[in-house]
Amino acid sequence: DQQVKQNSPSLSVQEGRISILNCDYTNSMFDYFLWYKKYPAEGPTFLISISSIKDKNEDGRFTVFLNKSAKHLSLHIVPSQPGDSAVYFCAAGAGSYQLTFGKGTKLSVIP
Amino acid sequence: NAGVTQTPKFHILKIGQSMTLQCTQDMNHNYMYWYRQDPGMGLKLIYYSVGAGITDKGEVPNGYNVSRSTTEDFPLRLELAAPSQTSVYFCASSYSGVEAFFGQGTRLTVV
Repeated sequence: DQQVKQNSPSLSVQEGRISILNCDYTNSMFDYFLWYKKYPAEGPTFLISISSIKDKNEDGRFTVFLNKSAKHLSLHIVPSQPGDSAVYFCAAGAGSYQLTFGKGTKLSVIP
Repeated sequence: NAGVTQTPKFHILKIGQSMTLQCTQDMNHNYMYWYRQDPGMGLKLIYYSVGAGITDKGEVPNGYNVSRSTTEDFPLRLELAAPSQTSVYFCASSYSGVEAFFGQGTRLTVV
């Protein structure tokens, strides 16, 4: 029973274009959401987060959008760069300091 | 500033053997976590701690034990290793209980 779903295992985008990574969740108790980036043979690195009281959070080239009614969030990367090529994990928490992770989406940015 | 340090990076364990994965952080974070990541899957929480002397089970605790005698260290003990425990193990720490900093991981193979 996956509470956090990333339905696209992979995504290819041209350098300079927008990358959109999607995440759906089923647990309406989740009150904060995070995106992590992971390179091979390294641990995940925190990228950006959003609280359930917001619908958008921006940090440089990265923007996360939250649609609570649809239980959907997305990460936009603009413009995409080759160094953004990595696996991106969506994670959600419900106030208990435990995160539930999706399976990840592998982003490839083509020069 | 080392962040979260995990040892060893790689290990091969025989079925039935025991071992301890070490994790230490130098950021004075109260929250610490152990996750495992199986191929093609997201991270699953094994155990977590909200402070020295306090630990609690996560989603997949069976076959593991933890202790938290100091703020810095959070070792994970595997007793009677089984092939199903072949995985990559990540330790993480957090100041707020939301954004977490991960170590580089321990790749464990049980044969």
